[in-house]
Amino acid sequence: DGGITQSPKYLFRKEGQNVTLSCEQNLNHDAMYWYRQDPGQGLRLIYYSQIVNDFQKGDIAEGYSVSREKKESFPLTVTSAQKNPTAFYLCASSPRKGGANVLTFGAGSRLTVL
Amino acid sequence: RKEVEQDPGPFNVPEGATVAFNCTYSNSASQSFFWYRQDCRKEPKLLMSVYSSGNEDGRFTAQLNRASQYISLLIRDSKLSDSATYLCVAASGTGGFKTIFGAGTRLFVKA
Repeated sequence: DGGITQSPKYLFRKEGQNVTLSCEQNLNHDAMYWYRQDPGQGLRLIYYSQIVNDFQKGDIAEGYSVSREKKESFPLTVTSAQKNPTAFYLCASSPRKGGANVLTFGAGSRLTVL
Repeated sequence: RKEVEQDPGPFNVPEGATVAFNCTYSNSASQSFFWYRQDCRKEPKLLMSVYSSGNEDGRFTAQLNRASQYISLLIRDSKLSDSATYLCVAASGTGGFKTIFGAGTRLFVKA
C-alpha cells in the first residue's frame, strides 16, 4: 500500500541537541510538507517542497531545516535554535496537479524536549 | 484573526444524534474546501471535499456558502466511532502550501 512513513514515532531530546525526523513517501507525489501541531492550534506549515532540490519556508521555519535530495524523502531537522520544539510533527504529501490541495499525512512524530 | 475559525467544542452528543459543525474563513480568494478527521494522537485524514452545491457522503453532509465565507459539516445518526476532532480546511490556490487548517472541533459521541 502506498503511504507516508514517519520515524521515529516518539523522540526525546535534551536542550541544545539537533534532531532529524524522517519522512518517506511511495505515493509518487511531487510535493511534500512539514507541519507542526500544538494543542488547541491548527496545523502550522514549517517547510514545503514542490520538487526535488527545491524547498520553501512556511509560516514558522525559524529553527528548522530541511532537504529534498530525493522525490521520496523530505527529512526535517529541528535545531537547537528552535525555542519551543516540543510538539507533534506531521509530514504530508500531495500531487503537484490534480488534487494538489488534498494532503496525505504520515502518522506523525511526537518530539519532547527534556 | 485566524484565517480559518472553528468552534473548539467539545460537542458531547448521544448516539443517534445529529450534530453540526461550523467554520468561517477570512480569505475571500479561497477556492477549495475540505473537512478532515483527526483521531486522538493520530494524523488528520481527509473526510470529504466541500463543493459549492453541497455534497453528501452517507451520514455526512457538507455545505459551502461563499457569500458568507462559511462552511458546515452535518453528521446524522452519530456513532461512537465518530468521536474525533474535525478540521475545517480552506485553500487559496493550487498546492498544499496554500492550505490553511482550522484548529478543529472536538466531538464526543456517548452511548
